[in-house]
Amino acid sequence: EAGVVQSPRYKIIEKKQPVAFWCNPISGHNTLYWYLQNLGQGPELLIRYENEEAVDDSQLPKDRFSAERLKGVDSTLKIQPAELGDSAVYLCASSLGSPYNEQFFGPGTRLTVL
Amino acid sequence: QQQVKQSPQSLIVQKGGISIINCAYENTAFDYFPWYQQFPGKGPALLIAIRPDVSEKKEGRFTISFNKSAKQFSLHIMDSQPGDSATYFCAASAQGAQKLVFGQGTRLTINP
Repeated sequence: EAGVVQSPRYKIIEKKQPVAFWCNPISGHNTLYWYLQNLGQGPELLIRYENEEAVDDSQLPKDRFSAERLKGVDSTLKIQPAELGDSAVYLCASSLGSPYNEQFFGPGTRLTVL
Repeated sequence: QQQVKQSPQSLIVQKGGISIINCAYENTAFDYFPWYQQFPGKGPALLIAIRPDVSEKKEGRFTISFNKSAKQFSLHIMDSQPGDSATYFCAASAQGAQKLVFGQGTRLTINP
């Protein structure tokens, strides 16, 4: 079974430029998560989707970050404009959504903002 | 109150030894406590998890010990192997597994 797929794996951009990350969850997983992982830190939840609905986006900086999950499958996370402090790994995870079901993480996208 | 505090930040253990990583939490509503293992360039992967109705859970060489009154839980890796060298994160959730709060991570090195 294929795992969570993320692309690109690495991205280097200049500050103030836009950037987008793509995630394809495990087939059948209705819950999708985007996390931010700073160097040497644990992941921090940005947004959680149940199918197409964003049910928890309280930690998403909405002035520059946006996300969508069209048709309840793939998801895109966008930053516009990027700032130096956005340099981090952006992780996508998915689960079956029922309480206590395991979250499966993708390999992440490492973003460097110059 | 949402924090999970993990220690130590780094740990070096000899091959065959026992690795112990500790976590503490404040939110008594937390009801799910997983441990994740992360290798460089990879996403975290679930290692073992426990719910507060039991005090210990063992899977192979990995054991979680849970102390509800002290609001602490720990990961024990028995017979540690070089392949166990990775970063380990404890986490906690108050809504099943759906909103995880992660600790800061422990970089474990097993010397051969």
